[in-house]
Amino acid sequence: KAGVTQTPRYLIKTRGQQVTLSCSPISGHRSVSWYQQTPGQGLQFLFEYFSETQRNKGNFPGRFSGRQFSNSRSEMNVSTLELGDSALYLCASSSDRVVQETQYFGPGTRLLVL
Amino acid sequence: EDKVVQSPLSLVVHEGDTVTLNCSYEVTNFRSLLWYKQEKKAPTFLFMLTSSGIEKKSGRLSSILDKKELFSILNITATQTGDSAVYLCAPREAGNMLTFGGGTRLMVKP
Repeated sequence: KAGVTQTPRYLIKTRGQQVTLSCSPISGHRSVSWYQQTPGQGLQFLFEYFSETQRNKGNFPGRFSGRQFSNSRSEMNVSTLELGDSALYLCASSSDRVVQETQYFGPGTRLLVL
Repeated sequence: EDKVVQSPLSLVVHEGDTVTLNCSYEVTNFRSLLWYKQEKKAPTFLFMLTSSGIEKKSGRLSSILDKKELFSILNITATQTGDSAVYLCAPREAGNMLTFGGGTRLMVKP
């Protein structure tokens, strides 16, 4: 089975711009979660989508949003980029068929905001 | 507020040593606790613990959970240079929300 894939892998943007990141989960997985990783704050939960609905949300401003499509692929969008948004954005997928299923991470998208 | 604390923050050992990494947590709706290893890329899954006192093993790595004391440890025996990484613990709450600790950075010297 192919793993979780994320595109693009690297991205450079300037302040004020907006960005869209994409995540394709493992085939058959219906849950996709997004995380932000920075040296200062570590790995922080952004949100989780399951069956096209946002199921959980972390403590991030409304500039961060996401969605999930019927094929379980997910996108996250960050509007009005700030320097502090520079980070590694990771998505993780889970089948959710079995209680207590684990999450598998994709390689991440490294975003640099100038 | 949910809190996950890992100790030590960093550790330097020599090949062949045994290490114990600690994770204490306080989360609202605990479901399970996951351990991940992160090198210069995405975290890779190590263990998922749901029940107290039952040790999980995978080769030289093992882990155990204490749900009463809200604590988990990860042991690595006979360390190798390839074990050098950041080890992350993350209690899982409702759905698939993971709250990560700051990690323990392990360096294994030859």
